[in-house]
Amino acid sequence: AQRVTQPEKLLSVFKGAPVELKCNYSYSGSPELFWYVQYSRQRLQLLLRHISRESIKGFTADLNKGETSFHLKKPFAQEEDSAMYYCALSGMDSNYQLIWGAGTKLIIKP
Amino acid sequence: GAGVSQSPSNKVTEKGKDVELRCDPISGHTALYWYRQRLGQGLEFLIYFQGNSAPDKSGLPSDRFSAERTGESVSTLTIQRTQQEDSAVYLCASSFTYQPQHFGDGTRLSIL
Repeated sequence: AQRVTQPEKLLSVFKGAPVELKCNYSYSGSPELFWYVQYSRQRLQLLLRHISRESIKGFTADLNKGETSFHLKKPFAQEEDSAMYYCALSGMDSNYQLIWGAGTKLIIKP
Repeated sequence: GAGVSQSPSNKVTEKGKDVELRCDPISGHTALYWYRQRLGQGLEFLIYFQGNSAPDKSGLPSDRFSAERTGESVSTLTIQRTQQEDSAVYLCASSFTYQPQHFGDGTRLSIL
């Protein structure tokens, strides 16, 4: 079954601390993985995709096919990182539609 | 603007009424998606259009929900005989085929 699991509904860390938002997936083929972010009162937007291998706003995510994970990491959290984060995948088996995780609310404490 | 536009931004209606939500995708985007986001929950897929056709309607929660797209552009999501459990934010997204989705601000629907 195709599934994206974000085990933490809520993650709270102090400013300056490292952040890791977990994402695990179940997919039979070769998926493309994404992280989307929704800041307060803003629209949902793409943060990064694994094929780009970019660092956006200090965030990185590496696709680990062995562990079927795509965790989002940032070494030093900032208050403006507080937002809702969604992991998603797409692939041929899903007709390239996005399969979404339930989301993790990240709160950065001052 | 060049982004996905949804209207109305807020809609309050009485239980049992019909509502129509509109989505204007980014020009040229062939794919269009509707999602529902209940308070405190993740995204729930409703329906997907490729051009004007809807190859996947599997997410529509009941036959009270329907959607159409015309001119490979504007889409409307219609909810008939609204129920309180229909209260949610309805999000629309569009994309080029197989490319990342761009989202609108959503319509916040409240059923009294």
